[in-house]
Amino acid sequence: GAGVSQTPSNKVTEKGKYVELRCDPISGHTALYWYRQSLGQGPEFLIYFQGTGAADDSGLPNDRFFAVRPEGSVSTLKIQRTERGDSAVYLCASSLWLAGAGEQFFGPGTRLTVL
Amino acid sequence: GNSVTQMEGPVTLSEEAFLTINCTYTATGYPSLFWYVQYPGEGLQLLLKATKADDKGSNKGFEATYRKETTSFHLEKGSVQVSDSAVYFCAPKLIFGQGTTLQVKP
Repeated sequence: GAGVSQTPSNKVTEKGKYVELRCDPISGHTALYWYRQSLGQGPEFLIYFQGTGAADDSGLPNDRFFAVRPEGSVSTLKIQRTERGDSAVYLCASSLWLAGAGEQFFGPGTRLTVL
Repeated sequence: GNSVTQMEGPVTLSEEAFLTINCTYTATGYPSLFWYVQYPGEGLQLLLKATKADDKGSNKGFEATYRKETTSFHLEKGSVQVSDSAVYFCAPKLIFGQGTTLQVKP
């Protein structure tokens, strides 16, 4: 595709439920990143993939958060037992090169609201 | 660990004024440095970057120089326009600053 796409654009769920957020990176980009952004804050790093493997997951806040990228393209961020504090915009980005060296291209984000 | 400190906003300027947004960072090694911009209603996009010490990144009249000795990457523009109103983020590697909101008045 022309850019990074994310689905859904908005997700409203109830506390305790499970959610999945999907990211389609730019074709050919080997690196994929997940961030979350709260209102008035900068993006907070969660995890990045180089190919299929999670190269750095140090930003995942706890074990309720998990992400996969089984074929080295599409990625899914999974959140179990959602809490109100998980409400934020979840951003996905991809880049050609290793994290920190190349420009990241961002998707429009998924706005998650936990009631 | 790595961190970044950005000038707090909002910054309000008149059109054609000079802009500086300060950014300092701590990081292991010498990472590439980026400024990203988020225009109202749009997603994050790269504004400029510098990959090594003393490099100057530039785009759309904005400039920033990679200063290794002061671990800084300040963003400057000589004459801002109303269309520059946006939120600006300094980002060494994967760490983003909190963002600086710029409002330019005609």
